Amino acid sequence: SAVISQKPSRDICQRGTSLTIQCQVDSQVTMMFWYRQQPGQSLTLIATANQGSEATYESGFVIDKFPISRPNLTFSTLTVSNMSPEDSSIYLCSVEVWTGDTEAFFGQGTRLTVV
Amino acid sequence: GQNIDQPTEMTATEGAIVQINCTYQTSGFNGLFWYQQHAGEAPTFLSYNVLDGLEEKGRFSSFLSRSKGYSYLLLKELQMKDSASYLCAVRPHNTDKLIFGTGTRLQVFP
Repeated sequence: SAVISQKPSRDICQRGTSLTIQCQVDSQVTMMFWYRQQPGQSLTLIATANQGSEATYESGFVIDKFPISRPNLTFSTLTVSNMSPEDSSIYLCSVEVWTGDTEAFFGQGTRLTVV
Repeated sequence: GQNIDQPTEMTATEGAIVQINCTYQTSGFNGLFWYQQHAGEAPTFLSYNVLDGLEEKGRFSSFLSRSKGYSYLLLKELQMKDSASYLCAVRPHNTDKLIFGTGTRLQVFP
């Protein structure tokens, strides 16, 4: 299994500012995934973060708005830049580990409110 | 395009059986996952199907038919703690990412 520590767990931010979310895994993983979950909705993939290369962003998400770092195989950060109220959401990081099945493990999420 | 459909909400009675359906249309197929998510918490893994048939894990079972683009999650002997959202997710071919359905919110009543 994998244990993921994600922080902060929640924050209230002013519009126009930026917030960096950290994700630490207790084992080395090749890929880390960042998701957004807006209130009452399912998960939408923002980007896939590989160590040593630039993140791969999904349609509708751009690096300038959501820069990602992946300095090593156990850590990643997602920054939400120049925030607006529309960015209020839960942000989750995820990794996949082979446990006999391919399981995805999630961090506890960061509940972001932009005012 | 990629499309995954689930019912939005379902209700059931404690002790009963409920089946949550998921249909998908994706660019290839490399596995289907079911997750449980309680309000305010992160999703937790329930099951993984990559071949046709039924996978059973205790009170939960998951079925897959690749030819029909269809899966269901079967919950038996429902308990109040099973009230949660259930997310169906598909991994398309040649990718490591997951495409999530909108989730089914299940409410279990006494």
